[in-house]
Order: sequence, then structure tokens, then C-alpha cells
Amino acid sequence: QSALTQPASVSGSPGQSITISCTGTSSDVGSYNLVSWYQQHPGKAPKLMIYEGSKRPSGVSDRFSGSKSGNTASLTISGLQAEDEADYYCCSYAGSSILVFGGGTKLTVL
Amino acid sequence: QVTLRESGPALVKPTQTLTLTCTFSGFSLSTSGMCVSWIRQPPGKALEWLARIDWDDDKYYSTSLKTRLTISKDTSKNQVVLTMTNMDPVDTATYYCARMYNSAWYLDYWGQGTLVTVSS
Repeated sequence: QSALTQPASVSGSPGQSITISCTGTSSDVGSYNLVSWYQQHPGKAPKLMIYEGSKRPSGVSDRFSGSKSGNTASLTISGLQAEDEADYYCCSYAGSSILVFGGGTKLTVL
Repeated sequence: QVTLRESGPALVKPTQTLTLTCTFSGFSLSTSGMCVSWIRQPPGKALEWLARIDWDDDKYYSTSLKTRLTISKDTSKNQVVLTMTNMDPVDTATYYCARMYNSAWYLDYWGQGTLVTVSS
């Protein structure tokens, strides 16, 4: 199972919006509405930010939103804040009881 | 509240077998639908899903690592154990356990991770 494709890095200024893409195939992202997104600060465990494509867990800011089109899922962060600077990983169910992660995207808040 | 904690050796030698334990609280693996997964992350690299065990003892493994992995549970102790055979330096990583729900396929609570270094 190949990893999902994410841009290595994205950046934005405080207050701006950014979008991180996550491209898979018709066997994973395209076939299931089971994409999740995780935020990871240096030296910390990942934190669930979005699940089932667009749902936010309790306590996650509504500045974070998720969507999907075809084989590509996206995470959008609006009103960028300094604390959003972190690594972000997408993850998708890939059938046959397998999970696959993306390669990760480093978000820099300028 | 839900907590998970990984434990195991910090250093293993090549060819040895790694045994990691995930001890959790705030939920029970005897509850229908409950699952625990293992995920790893080599230093500076991406996350990689390894295995999952369900409340009904169903087990699922990464395609690329399934011949080396075994996952098991001790419901009475609230523990999940992962063993990985024939360790190699490329297996050096932080190993995490995380909770998930059957058919939901997302990881809602994570442990803090444990770094395992493979070196002679």
C-alpha cells in the first residue's frame, strides 16, 4: 500500500487561510469517506483534527475544516495562528482493513 | 478520561524481537466496537500504521510488515502487546498506540510514544 501524497511544506501569514492537499487513489481516498487529519507538534504525539473527511472532534477549533474531491482530500485552516505551526498528516482507510498515512506536511506560520 | 501509555525497551539489537506494551485506561477492550492500533514514526519521517486489534480479538496488519508482527490483548489488564521480530536499524522509530472504533478507522486518543533504537 503506497503512502498518500502531501506537499512537503506550506506556509502562510497570521490571519490567512491555507489548504493542505492529500492525494490518494480510487482504492483509498476515492473509495471511502474515511479520511482523517492529525496535527503533530515537535516531540509530541499526533492529535486528531478531522475525521470521516469533514467532522471535527469536540474541542477542535472550527478554523479547521476538511473536504474531499475525487481521490484528493484537503485540510483548510482559516485565520492562521502561530500555534497552528506543526506537521500535519492525512490518513485514509485503504480497504482490506488497512490504514495508510500521508507523508506529512510542515506548516510554517510566517 | 482516556489515556494510553507505551512501554518497552529503548534499545534492541539487530535480529532481536521487540515487545511493546500499551497500557490504557478510560475504556475497555471488551466493549463492542473498541479497537487499539499501533503506529510508528522513524525520526524525522512520516507516520506508519502497523496493526490493529479489536474487542472481538480480530487482528489486522500492515501488508508490508505482517510477517513480522503479532498483536495481542489482555482485557483484564487493559493492555495490548505488539511483537516485531527480526529487528533492523531501519525499524528505529517512536512507536505509538492509539484508540479507534471498529469501522471508524480514525485514531482519537494516542499515547505519548516510546522511542526504540535498533543498534548493535
